[in-house]
Amino acid sequence: AQSVTQLDSQVPVFEEAPVELRCNYSSSVSVYLFWYVQYPNQGLQLLLKYLSGSTLVESINGFEAEFNKSQTSFHLRKPSVHISDTAEYFCAVTRYSSASKIIFGSGTRLSIRP
Amino acid sequence: GAGVSQSPRYKVAKRGQDVALRCDPISGHVSLFWYQQALGQGPEFLTYFQNEAQLDKSGLPSDRFFAERPEGSVSTLKIQRTQQEDSAVYLCASSLNRDREGYGYTFGSGTRLTVV
Repeated sequence: AQSVTQLDSQVPVFEEAPVELRCNYSSSVSVYLFWYVQYPNQGLQLLLKYLSGSTLVESINGFEAEFNKSQTSFHLRKPSVHISDTAEYFCAVTRYSSASKIIFGSGTRLSIRP
Repeated sequence: GAGVSQSPRYKVAKRGQDVALRCDPISGHVSLFWYQQALGQGPEFLTYFQNEAQLDKSGLPSDRFFAERPEGSVSTLKIQRTQQEDSAVYLCASSLNRDREGYGYTFGSGTRLTVV
């Protein structure tokens, strides 16, 4: 079975500061990894995903995540955050397979201070 | 429609009441998932459909929970004899299919169920 651990339930940062949201996963088989974002009162949106190839993946709004197989991590980073990045961020994993569910972490609430 | 539509947006039910939550996936999407998101938690998998076939219902917490997708499009999640622990946001997601590029899941905004 797969599992996801997000160690930080809340991360407060100042605007324009860098941020890292940590994610570690556990799996005995190869997996796909995702970061989803949930803005207040909205549904989940896919931020970025790692399926194969380059271990560094990027989103259109400046976030990036690096797949580290040896450390079973998929941390999310942004060099300079904006107020509009305030949201809940969920790391998720699914195994290579058809009809396989996505397993989500418990989430990290990113709050940006002006 | 352009996205996954869920209704109602909010539902308040008295304990013991039956409820039905609806999900309209994106037209043509083969896969449909239901998740339960308790306050302050990540979404928990409930069940998965591929067209009208329910391929995985391992996440349904009890036999009070039942989901269907009879024509392979709209899906309904039914909860019988609601309990306070059923209070959560119920999320629906659909996907065109699991192809090699795959996992283009689109989530709806959810139904917030409050059992009083």
